[in-house]
Amino acid sequence: KAGVTQTPRYLIKTRGQQVTLSCSPISGHRSVSWYQQTPGQGLQFLFEYFSETQRNKGNFPGRFSGRQFSNSRSEMNVSTLELGDSALYLCASSSGLAGGRANTGELFFGEGSRLTVL
Amino acid sequence: AQTVTQSQPEMSVQEAETVTLSCTYDTSESDYYLFWYKQPPSRQMILVIRQEAYKQQNATENRFSVNFQKAAKSFSLKISDSQLGDAAMYFCASGGSNYKLTFGKGTLLTVNP
Repeated sequence: KAGVTQTPRYLIKTRGQQVTLSCSPISGHRSVSWYQQTPGQGLQFLFEYFSETQRNKGNFPGRFSGRQFSNSRSEMNVSTLELGDSALYLCASSSGLAGGRANTGELFFGEGSRLTVL
Repeated sequence: AQTVTQSQPEMSVQEAETVTLSCTYDTSESDYYLFWYKQPPSRQMILVIRQEAYKQQNATENRFSVNFQKAAKSFSLKISDSQLGDAAMYFCASGGSNYKLTFGKGTLLTVNP
């Protein structure tokens, strides 16, 4: 079974530009989450989608947005890039229907998209 | 809100020895999961071990085991017979009813031959 695929793996942008990152989840997974990873802040939750609906959103400005398509593939967009947006952006997928009473179960991560903003 | 704290930014262990990574968490939820993830230098995060909070028995996966102390909100990871391939960043994480995982800052584990 293919894992979580993220594209592009690396990209360089300049301040003020926008960027779109793509994530294809594991086949059959309906939940896709996005995390930003930086050396200073660690892993921070951006948002989670399930069946094209955003179920939770992290504490990021409105420049960060996302969406999910009917085939569960997801994209995230960052507009008006700032230097501080340089980070590794990780996508993770799951069934979205954890078997236990808590609904956030195991996540399967992609290799990430490394964004550098100059 | 959930918080996860890893107090050891770096740890080192000799090959074949045992090492314990510490993690404390705080949550207002009654049902939650706890995880240890490993991120090798290639960057892909992989699950090491998970624990359902409602289970008293500590989870074990081969050389990896946890010490889950629910009252103390402690969730440490023990790696036995350490191998060179265990060298990585280890993240403790918790997940509850809000569709997200909260991660600690991570512990960088070095394995010395």
